[in-house]
Amino acid sequence: QSVLTQPPSVSGAPGQRVTISCTGSSSNIGAGYDVHWYQQLPGAAPRLLISGNNNRPSGVPDRFSGSKSGTSGSLAITGVQAEDEADYYCQSYDTSLKAWVFGGGTTLTVL
Amino acid sequence: EVQLVQSGGGLVQPGGSLRLSCEASGFTFSRSAMTWVRQAPGKGLEWVAAISGSGMSTYYTDFVKGRFTITRDNAKNTMSLEMNSLRVEDTAKYFCAKDYTGSYFWGQGTQVTVSS
Repeated sequence: QSVLTQPPSVSGAPGQRVTISCTGSSSNIGAGYDVHWYQQLPGAAPRLLISGNNNRPSGVPDRFSGSKSGTSGSLAITGVQAEDEADYYCQSYDTSLKAWVFGGGTTLTVL
Repeated sequence: EVQLVQSGGGLVQPGGSLRLSCEASGFTFSRSAMTWVRQAPGKGLEWVAAISGSGMSTYYTDFVKGRFTITRDNAKNTMSLEMNSLRVEDTAKYFCAKDYTGSYFWGQGTQVTVSS
């Protein structure tokens, strides 16, 4: 059971807007620690999508965006495409555990 | 070009030991913290351990404290994870990554299977 809670799955039709939430607490996101987002295709290493809550690394399409508010972070995909089908993970730091932590992951299905 | 190339891993019996390595190139290795992350079959990502650029500071998840040791050799641009007293639940694909978090660069992953 991760200290960062993500929905197990989300889905959307091509072109729709999809959001994935990452709910933490006062010992991680709420304490001011950044939220990062990764995309993972089957068998592959994770790919950094969003760093520091809302920064997109070079090469990441601008349909991906991140935000943070209070004890939660959120990843939005505006105009989802078939190639976006993957698992998505949030990451932050937890002061109680003194460890970096991942959310449980969310599987995106493009209908 | 930044590259992280992993080696090691394999099949080991419960209670056994393995050593994973991660050789880095394309950046100033001694200035970068490094991290190990694992993924059990069909499960999510789990942070395992991290080490500062100098090697003076190390961090572990509670599940591996006292069993795993993370080290680095800045002269050889290599980070290692020594895994002892391995358990069936340590079975996973292990990834090395640059930086503590917000990791843009990752190794290709190496499989560790603990089974009798």
